[in-house]
Amino acid sequence: DTGVSQNPRHKITKRGQNVTFRCDPISEHNRLYWYRQTLGQGPEFLTYFQNEAQLEKSRLLSDRFSAERPKGSFSTLEIQRTEQGDSAMYLCASSPRGGRESSYNEQFFGPGTRLTVL
Amino acid sequence: AQSVTQLDSQVPVFEEAPVELRCNYSSSVSVYLFWYVQYPNQGLQLLLKYLSGSTLVESINGFEAEFNKSQTSFHLRKPSVHISDTAEYFCAVSYNTNAGKSTFGDGTTLTVKP
Repeated sequence: DTGVSQNPRHKITKRGQNVTFRCDPISEHNRLYWYRQTLGQGPEFLTYFQNEAQLEKSRLLSDRFSAERPKGSFSTLEIQRTEQGDSAMYLCASSPRGGRESSYNEQFFGPGTRLTVL
Repeated sequence: AQSVTQLDSQVPVFEEAPVELRCNYSSSVSVYLFWYVQYPNQGLQLLLKYLSGSTLVESINGFEAEFNKSQTSFHLRKPSVHISDTAEYFCAVSYNTNAGKSTFGDGTTLTVKP
């Protein structure tokens, strides 16, 4: 399968614990995005990378959240001291390298990691 | 602020009936528009997109959407729905910047009844 993969698919943790999620984008894609989706709402942008550089972070991304993409391939999203309000689906998407600007806007989504904080 | 409004949170229809899922966006600049479908416990799948050119875009499974710049709308339609079309549908907009991020609506749950 050459799509975007995310691990784990489900994570249950207790409040105050740290969690880390991984995203493996489509191999030739140089842009990677993280979104958060809570129940009954659409995905909300968190942050994105072009290669290994983190170029934008949403104000939704509090100091407890950190994302990395050290070699410009896979990415990790860590949440420290989790709170019940962090319970959500965390979606990763990647976007292809392309000569036309329009190709930058077509994102391919992974299946998501569902986080439940007890 | 950039926003996307999906006017109906739930749309129940009978099988083989036509359906329209409405989407409006706010923008004063060029946009790219998307419809995604999400089945339970799955990620988002791109259904169709408007990047440029013809304002009417079609998907391979019979859905179509029309970009209306004057009304800032991108409604999704299908002339005859199937049970398998039951899912959550999200409208999204991406602005003509280098960020490429998308702003999503809150979704419309389409339920097709036999």
